[in-house]
Amino acid sequence: AQTVTQSQPEMSVQEAETVTLSCTYDTSESDYYLFWYKQPPSRQMILVIRQEAYKQQNATENRFSVNFQKAAKSFSLKISDSQLGDAAMYFCASAYGNKLVFGAGTILRVKS
Amino acid sequence: EAGVAQSPRYKIIEKRQSVAFWCNPISGHATLYWYQQILGQGPKLLIQFQNNGVVDDSQLPKDRFSAERLKGVDSTLKIQPAKLEDSAVYLCASSLVGATNEKLFFGSGTQLSVL
Repeated sequence: AQTVTQSQPEMSVQEAETVTLSCTYDTSESDYYLFWYKQPPSRQMILVIRQEAYKQQNATENRFSVNFQKAAKSFSLKISDSQLGDAAMYFCASAYGNKLVFGAGTILRVKS
Repeated sequence: EAGVAQSPRYKIIEKRQSVAFWCNPISGHATLYWYQQILGQGPKLLIQFQNNGVVDDSQLPKDRFSAERLKGVDSTLKIQPAKLEDSAVYLCASSLVGATNEKLFFGSGTQLSVL
C-alpha cells in the first residue's frame, strides 16, 4: 500500500521569500508518479507540479520546483519568490496503477 | 474550456436523511472520480469510473453510499442514510483517459454537514 506523509501541518513565509514544503512517501513500486496539488479557499484543487519516479532530474514549473530524493522517498516542494496568491493548502500525492493517494496537507500562509 | 461542475456547493442535513451530489466532468474526459475530504485530511478516493463502468470502488461504504455515471458523462453520488461521520467535502474530478501520470481536474466540491 502507498502512504504519503506531510509532517508540517502549517508553514508561513514572507512575501518574496522562499519556502520548502516536505513530503515523504512509502511505496514498494519502482514506477510511480508524484504530484503536488494546491487547494485555495475556493476548494478547487489545481496541479502545481509532477515528477516521474524514473526521471532523476527534478521537475520545475516557473517558481515551483521539487527536490526528489528517490532513495530517501522524499519529495519536497520549493516555492521561490512567494506571492500572496500562493497562500493555500498544499497536498503531496503519489500515484501507481491508477491509484492516487494524498497526504494530509500543509497550510501555507504568506505574510505581506 | 469549462471546468468540472459540481452542485450543490453546500448542504446541511440531519443524520439518517439522504443526500445526493451531482458532477458534470470536462467534456470528453473518460475518467471520473469522487473523493471524500474530511477536515484536516487529504482527499480519499471513494469511486472511480471509466466511461460508465466502475474501475475502483474499494473504499466506498456500499451499505450507505452509491454512485452512478449516466451515459458515461454526468455522475451522482448518494448517501442514504447519512451519519455524522459523513460530514466532509465531496470532490469530483475528471481526467482524459485515467492514466497514472495524468493531471486531474477538480470541481469546487460540495461541503456536507450532517447534524
